[in-house]
Amino acid sequence: AQSVAQPEDQVNVAEGNPLTVKCTYSVSGNPYLFWYVQYPNRGLQFLLKYITGDNLVKGSYGFEAEFNKSQTSFHLKKPSALVSDSALYFCAVRGYSGTYKYIFGTGTRLKVLA
Amino acid sequence: DAGVIQSPRHEVTEMGQEVTLRCKPISGHNSLFWYRQTMMRGLELLIYFNNNVPIDDSGMPEDRFSAKMPNASFSTLKIQPSEPRDSAVYFCASSPSGQGQPQHFGDGTRLSIL
Repeated sequence: AQSVAQPEDQVNVAEGNPLTVKCTYSVSGNPYLFWYVQYPNRGLQFLLKYITGDNLVKGSYGFEAEFNKSQTSFHLKKPSALVSDSALYFCAVRGYSGTYKYIFGTGTRLKVLA
Repeated sequence: DAGVIQSPRHEVTEMGQEVTLRCKPISGHNSLFWYRQTMMRGLELLIYFNNNVPIDDSGMPEDRFSAKMPNASFSTLKIQPSEPRDSAVYFCASSPSGQGQPQHFGDGTRLSIL
């Protein structure tokens, strides 16, 4: 079965410090991996994706993510956190299990402290 | 680009009433998804369409829920009769063709069933 796990419900980080939001996945075949961000009363916004190629993917707002095939992980990172990065972050994978579906994780709330 | 447009943004109605949620996908996108988000269950995929055809409706909770996509620019999600446990935020998302394409979300409809 295909799945995505975000092991942390919440991550707290001080402004200016690096941040990491963790994601692991399980999928048959090659994974298509995505990160989204959700601000209050808004829909999910696409940040970045991994399809193939370089394991380090750069996205919007200074975010990047590292694909690790051996650890089946796709952690979201940012070198220096901003208070405005505080939001709910979702990891998603698209794979095949009868039909193509996007499977979303349960979300990680990031809180950046001033 | 106008983005995915959902209406209404908020809906409050009494138990037993029919509820219709509407979605206009981004022009040129041929996949459309309906999700439900609650605190308890997170983000759930209800149904998705490809080229106006329902591909996977395994996430539709029960027969009270139905979805249609009569043309490429419009979709509805209907609940009849509505129940308090249907209270949630309902999102519509669309994406272009291609497995590696991200989804673009609307800002959702916040539904409250009294």
